[in-house]
Amino acid sequence: QLQLQESGPGLAKPSETLSLTCTVSGGYISRSTYSWGWIRQPPGKGLEWIGTVYYSGSTYYNPSLKSRLDMSLDTSKNQISLKVSSVTAADTAVYYCARGPPNGDFRWFDPWGQGTLVTVSS
Amino acid sequence: QSALTQPASVSGSPGQSITISCTGSSSDVGAYDYVSWYQQHPGTAPKLLLFDVTIRPSGVPDRFSGSKSGNTASLTISGLQAEDEADYYCSSYTYSSSYVFGTGTKVTVL
Repeated sequence: QLQLQESGPGLAKPSETLSLTCTVSGGYISRSTYSWGWIRQPPGKGLEWIGTVYYSGSTYYNPSLKSRLDMSLDTSKNQISLKVSSVTAADTAVYYCARGPPNGDFRWFDPWGQGTLVTVSS
Repeated sequence: QSALTQPASVSGSPGQSITISCTGSSSDVGAYDYVSWYQQHPGTAPKLLLFDVTIRPSGVPDRFSGSKSGNTASLTISGLQAEDEADYYCSSYTYSSSYVFGTGTKVTVL
């Protein structure tokens, strides 16, 4: 059974670059055509799609965040990484990683990791 | 891109049916049959309920059903149960190769 586990610093300072990792178990990200997504949820608020990366390395980003994002796959570690630069308090959220469909457009996400809370504060 | 519009809250009694609407535009909901729905209980990760408008993943009860007309999609929960009390989010793939969620609906079982 595929499982995803997010990890991150917990606390980040304003203007820093936030680095998050999603470790996949129960399957190999390099041996599939799945896409992988990051989604976040500020405390008490709704979901926001951050971006999606394909096994090929192609990336798609939320236009409102695009200039600050970098997503990639590390097949040697079976991990998906997300970097968000120049963070502010508005980036405080629970960050989730999730798997997209086995082929085609990233039109749904399943399963999801349990999420990791990141607080941006000085 | 703007979030899809959902009612903030919907309530119903056990056994009743409720419907949650999800309104977008011709660039997202109306562009493809790529609407999905997620259920989120407090403190937990969202769970996929429906994808491609009407398809239920394995293990999702058939009490949950979806439909779409034009730029509006709908989720219907039939035979409402106490465990259905949760937040529900619609989402859609978009014409510009992006992805957008709805504003979320809190379902209360009276």
